Amino acid sequence: EAGVTQFPSHSVIEKGQTVTLRCDPISGHDNLYWYRRVMGKEIKFLLHFVKESKQDESGMPNNRFLAERTGGTYSTLKVQPAELEDSGVYFCASSLSGMNTEAFFGQGTRLTVV
Amino acid sequence: KNEVEQSPQNLTAQEGEFITINCSYSVGISALHWLQQHPGGGIVSLFMLSSGKKKHGRLIATINIQEKHSSLHITASHPRDSAVYICAVKGSNYKLTFGKGTLLTVNP
Repeated sequence: EAGVTQFPSHSVIEKGQTVTLRCDPISGHDNLYWYRRVMGKEIKFLLHFVKESKQDESGMPNNRFLAERTGGTYSTLKVQPAELEDSGVYFCASSLSGMNTEAFFGQGTRLTVV
Repeated sequence: KNEVEQSPQNLTAQEGEFITINCSYSVGISALHWLQQHPGGGIVSLFMLSSGKKKHGRLIATINIQEKHSSLHITASHPRDSAVYICAVKGSNYKLTFGKGTLLTVNP
């Protein structure tokens, strides 16, 4: 069975451009999470989907970030326009429904804004 | 102060040594995760625990809910164990709060 996959693995864009990150969760996982690690800091929560609904988006930094999960399958995270401080590694994780189910993480997308 | 504190931040050991990484947290939790990330790699879940102790191969994780403390032990460490080990806790909601990680280097 395929794990959580993220695309692209790396992205280098200029300040002001738009980037869209994609996450394909494990099939059947209703919970999907986006996390981010910026240089030198701990990984921080961005948002949580249950199926296609945003359950918690309290970690989204600002309105330049837009996450979607159409149809409750894969999710996209768009940054528009990108700023230098958006650079970091963006991780996606998914889990089965329920509170204490194990989360499976993707490989991450390393975003560099120059 | 971060809600999840790990120690040490960096750890260098010789192959074969017994390793302990500690995690303390300040909030009520429903579960604690130990995660592993190799350089340039993704995050792998090692353990999820809410009480007691779990063992998988050479890895052992313990948690003391009353003391809000968990430890990850590696017995007979090997260079392939070199990675960042991350403690993360789940509170009353679904999201994880992460520690900064412990960079472990095991030399042959």
